[in-house]
Amino acid sequence: AQSVTQLDSQVPVFEEAPVELRCNYSSSVSVYLFWYVQYPNQGLQLLLKYLSGSTLVKGINGFEAEFNKSQTSFHLRKPSVHISDTAEYFCAVMANDYKLSFGAGTTVTVRA
Amino acid sequence: DAGVTQSPTHLIKTRGQQVTLRCSPKSGHDTVSWYQQALGQGPQFIFQYYEEEERQRGNFPDRFSGHQFPNYSSELNVNALLLGDSALYLCASSSDRNTEAFFGQGTRLTVV
Repeated sequence: AQSVTQLDSQVPVFEEAPVELRCNYSSSVSVYLFWYVQYPNQGLQLLLKYLSGSTLVKGINGFEAEFNKSQTSFHLRKPSVHISDTAEYFCAVMANDYKLSFGAGTTVTVRA
Repeated sequence: DAGVTQSPTHLIKTRGQQVTLRCSPKSGHDTVSWYQQALGQGPQFIFQYYEEEERQRGNFPDRFSGHQFPNYSSELNVNALLLGDSALYLCASSSDRNTEAFFGQGTRLTVV
């Protein structure tokens, strides 16, 4: 079985400042890693995913994440946030069973 | 492309009643997964359907059942509703054995 821990439940940040959302995972098998974003009253949208290869993954809306196998982490970063980045962010893992296991989420609130 | 569509968007039911939620997958997708997202939590995997059969199931009681039709659309049924079943129910579709899942907007179920 896999599990995901998102280390920050809430992250307040000022507009144009950088942000990092931390994610650690636990699994006895190899997994794929994902970050999803959820805007209020909406479903989940894929930001980026790591399947294999380069450990630095670039996604949509200027987000990127780095896979660290030794630390079993997959932290999400953005160098400069906008008000529109206010949302809930979920880290998730998937093994060869092709089902997603999600963390509890991190609420990002961007202030002007 | 309409993406993944779910109906209804909101629903209020009384304890003990039964409910059916519906999902139409993204065009070209043959696999449908259902997730339950309680307030303030990450989505939890309920089950996955492929070729009209339940391929795998999460840790949910038998009150939760589903169906997939020949056109790949799917239904989630919940019997004997409990207050704790109140949640956002998300449907995700994908191609078989593909890592990228597309989510619908969800159905907000409130049990009173």
